[in-house]
Amino acid sequence: DVQMTQSPPALSASVGDRVTITCRASESIGPWLAWYQQKPGKAPKLLIHQASNLESGVPSRFSGSGSGTEFTLTISSLQPDDYAVYYCQQYNNFWTFGQGTKVEIK
Amino acid sequence: EVQLVETGGGLIQPGGSLRLSCEAFGFRVDSTYMSWVRQAPGKGLEWVSVLYATGNTYYADPVKGRFTISRDDSKNTLYLQMDSLRADDTAVYFCARQMHMDVWGHGTAVTVSS
Repeated sequence: DVQMTQSPPALSASVGDRVTITCRASESIGPWLAWYQQKPGKAPKLLIHQASNLESGVPSRFSGSGSGTEFTLTISSLQPDDYAVYYCQQYNNFWTFGQGTKVEIK
Repeated sequence: EVQLVETGGGLIQPGGSLRLSCEAFGFRVDSTYMSWVRQAPGKGLEWVSVLYATGNTYYADPVKGRFTISRDDSKNTLYLQMDSLRADDTAVYFCARQMHMDVWGHGTAVTVSS
């Protein structure tokens, strides 16, 4: 099974900050990685797929990069609506989610 | 509008059975990958099962042999039959579309408790 390790588990940041979340796969998954945002009581929302493709309607301050085993989600300028939990997910070999990163207000 | 609507959750005793439904609007469930994903209270997301457009089905190890995924094309609905339920199956169950899950339902809560 492919294991996904996200870091950090949580972070505190201020509005306007640049935020970076990392996801590492236990084996190469090519570009087959997605990022999701989840707010309390809501379903996850797809932000990025195939490592760097921004989903339609998602603000351009979100970006993704990486391939193989190392991936990054970057929020270029954190906005109040961005406080949430973020998950990475591989879909090269079935599906596996990272443990999540909670982005909190500093 | 493309959307998914789950129903069928509830409180069930350990060892019992429950069938979840996921009705699709705006697209055909038989045209793509359809998955079930669950989230235990306060925990992260866990993939449960997938049904390919071809009809192939796959399951995560914790549910293999107990859960069955299926679909009714005439109703454009995905199902998850859950048998021999255990306390650790307690979660909100979401259905989702595509390999990169671009559309999700709102979820339906399943509580396994005596």
